Parts: sequence; C-alpha cells; structure tokens
Amino acid sequence: AQKVTQAQTEISVVEKEDVTLDCVYETRDTTYYLFWYKQPPSGELVFLIRRNSFDEQNEISGRYSWNFQKSTSSFNFTITASQVVDSAVYFCALSKSNTGNQFYFGTGTSLTVIP
Amino acid sequence: GAGVSQSPSNKVTEKGKDVELRCDPISGHTALYWYRQSLGQGLEFLIYFQGNSAPDKSGLPSDRFSAERTGGSVSTLTIQRTQQEDSAVYLCASSLGWAMNTEAFFGQGTRLTVV
Repeated sequence: AQKVTQAQTEISVVEKEDVTLDCVYETRDTTYYLFWYKQPPSGELVFLIRRNSFDEQNEISGRYSWNFQKSTSSFNFTITASQVVDSAVYFCALSKSNTGNQFYFGTGTSLTVIP
Repeated sequence: GAGVSQSPSNKVTEKGKDVELRCDPISGHTALYWYRQSLGQGLEFLIYFQGNSAPDKSGLPSDRFSAERTGGSVSTLTIQRTQQEDSAVYLCASSLGWAMNTEAFFGQGTRLTVV
C-alpha cells in the first residue's frame, strides 16, 4: 500500500528563519515519483517539484531545497530565509508506477511565517 | 483556458438536494482527477479519468457520488441527496498523461456547504 506521512501538522517560524518540512513515504514499487505542492490561502495547489525514485540527487531552487533519501524513505523540503509569502499549507505526494492513476497525498503541513 | 477552471467557486445547498460541480481541465490534458479536502484535512482521492479508459472510481465514498467526463474534456461531479458530511472543498486537477511522470495542475476548487 502507498502512504505519505507528514508528521508536522503546523509549524510557525519567524521571518528569515530556515524551516524543514518532513515527508516520509511508503511504497512497494521500485519506480515512483514524489511531489511537493504549495496551497496558499487562495486554495489552488501549486506544483513545486517532482522527483523520480531513481534520482536521489538533492535539488536547490532559490530558497527552496529538497533532500531525497531512499534509505529512510524521506523527501524533506527546506525553505531557507523564510518569508511571509511562504505561509501556506504544503503537501507531499507520491505517485505510483503501475497504473499511475492517482496521487497519494500527505495530510499537509501548515506553515506560518511571522513577520 | 490557461489553467484548470472549476465552477461554481462556492455552493450552499440544503441537505437532501443534488449538486453538480464542474471542471474544465487544461486543453490537451488527458488525465483528470477529483479530490475532496475537508476542513483541516488532506486531499482525499475520489475519481480519475484517463483518456478513453474506464475511470478509476475507487475513491468515491458512496453511491451518491458519480462523475462523468464528456468528450474527454469537461467533467461533472454529481452528489445526490447531499449530507452535511459532504461539506468540503472539491478540487479538480488535470495532467498531460500518467500521473507518475507529469505533475497535476489544480483548480481553485468548489467550496460546498450543506446546511
């Protein structure tokens, strides 16, 4: 069975602090994709990153970075020097390989950046 | 249109009434998903359409829920005899192909309130 766990329900940080959002997944597939989405107060989920199971190279995009470790089944997301505009709910998701017909989402982490 | 469009954005209905929620996916996207997001909860998969294949209805919570996709484009989610527990934000997403290797683009959702 596929499962995505985001243990942190809510996080508050002060502006300019770094923050890491945790994501742990479960799957028996050898081929899968992991995603992070941002859901700002407007409600629309915004795609942030996609990573396939064969690519464990960490990725950095501006203030965002992702640490994918298959050994611990984790795909953590770090925001460096957080800003108020980063306040949102962040979802981690897993897409399986055999049918590719759905995403498995975590329950989300609500991030509040305090000015 | 440029993105996934959902209508109405808000719907208030009386318990027992039927409702129809509409989703216009991004042009050319063959995959379409419906998810439900209850207050403070993650995304619950409802149904998935991929091209002309039979839809994956495994996430529909009861036989009061149904969905169709006409002409491989617009989709309608119908909830019959609505109940208060149906109150949630219903999110539609579309993607170019199999979810495994393409990100999904989400609409802003329809907020359904059953009173």
